[in-house]
Amino acid sequence: KAGVTQTPRYLIKTRGQQVTLSCSPISGHRSVSWYQQTPGQGLQFLFEYFSETQRNKGNFPGRFSGRQFSNSRSEMNVSTLELGDSALYLCASSFGSGLAPSTDTQYFGPGTRLTVL
Amino acid sequence: AQSVTQLGSHVSVSEGALVLLRCNYSSSVPPYLFWYVQYPNQGLQLLLKYTSAATLVKGINGFEAEFKKSETSFHLTKPSAHMSDAAEYFCAVTFTGGFKTIFGAGTRLFVKA
Repeated sequence: KAGVTQTPRYLIKTRGQQVTLSCSPISGHRSVSWYQQTPGQGLQFLFEYFSETQRNKGNFPGRFSGRQFSNSRSEMNVSTLELGDSALYLCASSFGSGLAPSTDTQYFGPGTRLTVL
Repeated sequence: AQSVTQLGSHVSVSEGALVLLRCNYSSSVPPYLFWYVQYPNQGLQLLLKYTSAATLVKGINGFEAEFKKSETSFHLTKPSAHMSDAAEYFCAVTFTGGFKTIFGAGTRLFVKA
């Protein structure tokens, strides 16, 4: 079974631009979560989607948004990029029981490393 | 506030020595607890998880963790470290009432020959 894939793996942007990152979950998984990983802040939860609905959101500004498609693939968008947005963005998928809290194992992709110049 | 604390950002052990990575959480209700490992330039991989069944949880690669409600802890151990265990380890918690997982700051494990 193929794992979680994220594209692109590396991205370089300049301040003020916007970026879209893509995540394809494991086949059959309906829940997708996004995380930002930086040396200073560690792993920070961005948002979680299940069956095209955002169920929870972390403490990030509105410049960070996401969506999920009917095939469970997910995208996240960051508008008006800032230097501080440079990070490794990780996507994780899980089966998704639809109940809270989820005990499902999350499977992580390799991440997209975003550098903002 | 709900939080996860990993004591020690860096831990160094000799090959063959005991590995102990500490994790404490703050919650009045026992959450679900996880340990993940991250190797350089890779995503996270689940080592083990506690979901209110047995308090001693065995995971992959010889790791195990014990849930202690009275201490609000979920420390990760391995009896004998191997060079291949060198990586960053994250404790994570899913609290009741939400669909999000909170990660600790991570502990980087160094294994000396």
